[in-house]
Amino acid sequence: EAQVTQNPRYLITVTGKKLTVTCSQNMNHEYMSWYRQDPGLGLRQIYYSMNVEVTDKGDVPEGYKVSRKEKRNFPLILESPSPNQTSLYFCASSARASEAFFGQGTRLTVV
Amino acid sequence: AQSVTQLGSHVSVSEGALVLLRCNYSSSVPPYLFWYVQYPNQGLQLLLKYTTGATLVKGINGFEAEFKKSETSFHLTKPSAHMSDAAEYFCAVTPSGYSTLTFGKGTMLLVSP
Repeated sequence: EAQVTQNPRYLITVTGKKLTVTCSQNMNHEYMSWYRQDPGLGLRQIYYSMNVEVTDKGDVPEGYKVSRKEKRNFPLILESPSPNQTSLYFCASSARASEAFFGQGTRLTVV
Repeated sequence: AQSVTQLGSHVSVSEGALVLLRCNYSSSVPPYLFWYVQYPNQGLQLLLKYTTGATLVKGINGFEAEFKKSETSFHLTKPSAHMSDAAEYFCAVTPSGYSTLTFGKGTMLLVSP
C-alpha cells in the first residue's frame, strides 16, 4: 500500500529538548516536504527536498532542520524546541508535478 | 510566486443542499490545482486535481471543480451535501512542472440535518 508514515503521532516535550520527527515514504517519490498546520493559517511549508542530498527552505524554516540521506526518509529536526513550535506537522511526498501524498500528522506540544 | 485565496473560513449548508467552496489563485505560469479534504484527526486526502486538458474535473465523493483561467478560479462544488462531507477543505496550487504546493487557509464545511 502506498503511504507516507510519520512518527510519532503525538509528542509532548519541554522547551530546549532536541527532538526528531521521522517521515518515510514507499512510493519512490523524488519530492518530499514538511508542513505545519495552525488554526486560521492553513498549511505552511517548512522545508522541502527535490531529491537525495538536495533540500531547501520553505516559508517558515526558522527553528527547524532537515536531512535527506536516503530517498525514502526525510526527518524533521527541532534542535531546541520552543512553545511557538507547538503545532500539527505533516510530511508529504510526490512525484514531479503530481499530487502530494500526506502522512497522518504529528501533533507536537512544547511546554 | 503563487498564492491561493479561499473565500470564507466557514461555510454552512443543510443536508441535500448545494456545496460551493470558492478558491482563487495567482500564478505566474500555468498552474496545477488541487483540492484536499481533511477529516478530524487525519491527514489530507486528495479530492481532485487539474493539470491540463478538460477544465471540469471530477473527484471522489461526488465533488467536482472547474478551472476558469479568465477568472483565476477553481471552485469546488457538490450538488447535494451529505453529513459525511463535514470536514475542512484546502485548495492548493503549484506551478506546472514543480511540486512546491501553496495552500489556501482552508474552509470548514459544516452540514446540518
